[in-house]
Amino acid sequence: EVQLVESGGGLIQPGGSLRLSCAASGFIFNTYAMNWVRQAPGKGLEWVSYISSSGTTSYYADSVKGRFTISRDNAKNSLYLQMNSLRAEDTAVYYCAREYLAVVGIFPYWGQGTLVTVSS
Amino acid sequence: DIQMTQSPSTLSASVGDRVTITCRASQSISSRLAWYQQKPGKAPNLLIYEASNLESGVPSRFSGSGSGAEFTLTISSLQPDDFATYYCQQYNSSPYTFGQGTKVEIK
Repeated sequence: EVQLVESGGGLIQPGGSLRLSCAASGFIFNTYAMNWVRQAPGKGLEWVSYISSSGTTSYYADSVKGRFTISRDNAKNSLYLQMNSLRAEDTAVYYCAREYLAVVGIFPYWGQGTLVTVSS
Repeated sequence: DIQMTQSPSTLSASVGDRVTITCRASQSISSRLAWYQQKPGKAPNLLIYEASNLESGVPSRFSGSGSGAEFTLTISSLQPDDFATYYCQQYNSSPYTFGQGTKVEIK
């Protein structure tokens, strides 16, 4: 069974940094591209970042480019999101999501999410 | 970036009703469109991909259609478990973008 478990969320002051983790199990992690998707309280879904299966290619939403860095450790079956220079508008539940092999860009598997609150 | 616009934003319906949600893209995305269902406090659940392919395990009362820039999600006979928020998502090009959501409420 595919499992994705996020951790690392919490309350952080504006301008601060936070590192989210996503522990994956139930599949061959180094075979699949991974993503982060976020959802502000009471709002819709926003794609944040993508990383290829090998970790050599990554993409970011304009809203986080230059502040967030996605990475992965295939030996540890883990995905990460380093978030710097955090702003109030980054407050959201952050989900890690796994893609399909054959169809890039859709998310059949999601974690339960971790809440990041940026506030003084 | 490709903008995705859903209508309506809220839909009130009764059990057994046929429900249709529309999603329009700001440019052609071929058939690279997915639909998700989300319930409060839960992660989204993939329903349909490639505009009309039903995800494994999803009830057959859900169907999708369309191509290019206009798409629909249809629930043929609304069930109590279907009251939720539905999102479309394009994956034709990065950044992947979602519609603003359609909340299906009990009438």
